[in-house]
Amino acid sequence: AQSVSQHNHHVILSEAASLELGCNYSYGGTVNLFWYVQYPGQHLQLLLKYFSGDPLVKGIKGFEAEFIKSKFSFNLRKPSVQWSDTAEYFCAVNYKAAGNKLTFGGGTRVLVKP
Amino acid sequence: EPEVTQTPSHQVTQMGQEVILRCVPISNHLYFYWYRQILGQKVEFLVSFYNNEISEKSEIFDDQFSVERPDGSNFTLKIRSTKLEDSAMYFCASRSNTQGFTEAFFGQGTRLTVV
Repeated sequence: AQSVSQHNHHVILSEAASLELGCNYSYGGTVNLFWYVQYPGQHLQLLLKYFSGDPLVKGIKGFEAEFIKSKFSFNLRKPSVQWSDTAEYFCAVNYKAAGNKLTFGGGTRVLVKP
Repeated sequence: EPEVTQTPSHQVTQMGQEVILRCVPISNHLYFYWYRQILGQKVEFLVSFYNNEISEKSEIFDDQFSVERPDGSNFTLKIRSTKLEDSAMYFCASRSNTQGFTEAFFGQGTRLTVV
């Protein structure tokens, strides 16, 4: 069965620190990859997506992610976080062979201290 | 910016009661979804809906669940006889009908508490 793993459940860091959140997915053929963010009390919002092409993807709010096919990974990065980046971050994968649904990782709660 | 809206934001119901969770997808979208997240667990796919019928459903989506698009704007999830284990956050999502896969837009969720 397809599965998505996010390595860290909770991350605490200070403003201006760099952030990297890991995401690995099980093999399942061609994939589309997403990172969503959920700020407190709000809906899931798309940060960035990868369908094909350049494996380094830039998203909103200064986030980027790198697709490494050989490692089945799609890690999220931000060079310098702000207090407003406090949120829960979800990696999600669409396995093309499995239809049009998303398979989610467990989420990572990020707390940025001012 | 268009968004997916869900009502209510919080629903408390007694075990065995029927509940209907409502969603208004983005107006020109044609694919609709329900996902749920039990506290402390992953967001799980329940069902997808396209062209007025279910296109995929998970093992979770048993006979107690049904979906409907009654009037061309709303998309509802009905749980016929709620169980304690149905307590979760339920997310509606929609996406557009363009060539290839497109990202899904999510609502803010309905927190269902079964007591």
